[in-house]
Amino acid sequence: DAKTTQPNSMESNEEEPVHLPCNHSTISGTDYIHWYRQLPSQGPEYVIHGLTSNVNNRMASLAIAEDRKSSTLILHRATLRDAAVYYCILISGAGGTSYGKLTFGQGTILTVHP
Amino acid sequence: NAGVTQTPKFRILKIGQSMTLQCTQDMNHNYMYWYRQDPGMGLKLIYYSVGAGITDKGEVPNGYNVSRSTTEDFPLRLELAAPSQTSVYFCASSYGYLEKLFFGSGTQLSVL
Repeated sequence: DAKTTQPNSMESNEEEPVHLPCNHSTISGTDYIHWYRQLPSQGPEYVIHGLTSNVNNRMASLAIAEDRKSSTLILHRATLRDAAVYYCILISGAGGTSYGKLTFGQGTILTVHP
Repeated sequence: NAGVTQTPKFRILKIGQSMTLQCTQDMNHNYMYWYRQDPGMGLKLIYYSVGAGITDKGEVPNGYNVSRSTTEDFPLRLELAAPSQTSVYFCASSYGYLEKLFFGSGTQLSVL
């Protein structure tokens, strides 16, 4: 299964943009890139996902490199409520042996300063 | 809608005891998952189900069992609890394989 690599931690100031990187150099053509975040003492929460094109929703934007070997989650204006662990995971659209199996890594701990 | 509901929220077990973690969802989702999260770590998949009557092992299934007799319910059974099973357990569901997951609020389990 393709793996992802994220920095252990990042810091930001409130109201500033945050770019959270994710490397997935062994991504296959059918792998979707999903992002989740986990606030303290809560279950993970879906943020955004994409395949090839950049994606926007009310929470964030996802920028996918042209070769798809990396992606960046963009929070346009960080708030204190965005302080969380952010997980980048790949989900194979081809099914097969990875069918149904979603693997979360250790993620990036985002600290937002007032 | 309640979403994904897990019970209990907290539990302390003695070594060798058994218990069932309950998970139910009211979104008519086909896929359901059980994860465990150890302190400071990411989530590890224990078992998953793609529909009623169909379950399969994840990364760390040893010491656990599941069943899926209805679309709504996906209980996780711990037999002969061990200290290594001390963790936070999350249940999740999704409508389809590539659809977003909805997580419960978790069960914090301590085995002493």
